[in-house]
Amino acid sequence: DTGVSQNPRHKITKRGQNVTFRCDPISEHNRLYWYRQTLGQGPEFLTYFQNEAQLEKSRLLSDRFSAERPKGSFSTLEIQRTEQGDSAMYLCASSLGGDSTDTQYFGPGTRLTVL
Amino acid sequence: GNSVTQMEGPVTLSEEAFLTINCTYTATGYPSLFWYVQYPGEGLQLLLKATKADDKGSNKGFEATYRKETTSFHLEKGSVQVSDSAVYFCALSRSLTGANNLFFGTGTRLTVIP
Repeated sequence: DTGVSQNPRHKITKRGQNVTFRCDPISEHNRLYWYRQTLGQGPEFLTYFQNEAQLEKSRLLSDRFSAERPKGSFSTLEIQRTEQGDSAMYLCASSLGGDSTDTQYFGPGTRLTVL
Repeated sequence: GNSVTQMEGPVTLSEEAFLTINCTYTATGYPSLFWYVQYPGEGLQLLLKATKADDKGSNKGFEATYRKETTSFHLEKGSVQVSDSAVYFCALSRSLTGANNLFFGTGTRLTVIP
């Protein structure tokens, strides 16, 4: 399978704990995106990478969130001191890059539950 | 700013019925428009897209036409099947900073009954 993969698929944690999610994009894709989706809503953009450079961050991405893509391949999203409001599905997408016609391919997501 | 307004669901149809899911958008300039579908237990999949005015995207019997004059991108299918039951998301991509991040609607859940 050469699609976007995400691990873990589910994560349950207690408030105040740190969590880290991993995304492996499609291998030749230069761009990688993180989105967050809460119940009954569409995904909301968090941040994106062009190769290893993080080029844009949404205002939704508080100081407790950090994302990396160290070698321009896989990416990690870490949430420190989790809060109940962080409970959501975290989606990763990748694309070849280019203009707004560029198509993003999504992974299955990591569902986070903060107790 | 950029936003997408999508027909609220849920929508329940009988098999072979005609489907329309309305989507309108607000954006500066000329965005690209997308429909994504999320089947139960699966991730978001691109269903179709259109990148300029009057373009028609189509896939799996679904169609949507990019209407600049009405800022709309309504999804249609002539005869739905039970296997079309899913959540459908309308989205736009507008690159001002090069990010091309997607702006999604809230999704419309479709249930097709035999």
